[in-house]
Amino acid sequence: QKEVEQDPGPLSVPEGAIVSLNCTYSNSAFQYFMWYRQYSRKGPELLMYTYSSGNKEDGRFTAQVDKSSKYISLFIRDSQPSDSATYLCAMKDQGGGADGLTFGKGTHLIIQP
Amino acid sequence: DSGVTQTPKHLITATGQRVTLRCSPRSGDLSVYWYQQSLDQGLQFLIQYYNGEERAKGNILERFSAQQFPDLHSELNLSSLELGDSALYFCASSVATGSGANVLTFGAGSRLTVL
Repeated sequence: QKEVEQDPGPLSVPEGAIVSLNCTYSNSAFQYFMWYRQYSRKGPELLMYTYSSGNKEDGRFTAQVDKSSKYISLFIRDSQPSDSATYLCAMKDQGGGADGLTFGKGTHLIIQP
Repeated sequence: DSGVTQTPKHLITATGQRVTLRCSPRSGDLSVYWYQQSLDQGLQFLIQYYNGEERAKGNILERFSAQQFPDLHSELNLSSLELGDSALYFCASSVATGSGANVLTFGAGSRLTVL
């Protein structure tokens, strides 16, 4: 079982729909949870980050963390064609070192105009 | 523009050859990270440097090596290249060593094709 599981998609939805992207994980030491967005032929860029459990909202984006279920979600409201990208979840424990940062494989999202 | 600069953007070479990928971190960032991204493996951490010193090592092959120079730029050397080394190689940087949230800023990547 991999440490972080993420459905690769593609996930195709019509413009304006609410999108739900999810990751599950197995390492209970993870404390920091991040979502990166990666456009085609570009590097990943940080979209949201949360510490421990709870919700965080930023404009049309909401990140949720449920540590009891080892499950994190990213919701996109009023989705736009410009949201079409690959979304990678990433998680990290409290310690130092990049070897503690684990990425999901990414979900390819397509927003149809 | 993320502030992390990677060169070259594209590289095509033959099996058995050696290439060097270069990365300039964002101004003020002391840590540099190298990642390999392929379709089947996703983003795989290779190695991290902090202020010139190796800090953490991931799934980096013995044929690969890296260093960070006094001006903080970093180079990733890939030798005895194999077809399976074809991938996107990303450099990322951060301010600190990696404890806490450790938010990374990624460059645009170097696409390596080995024929």
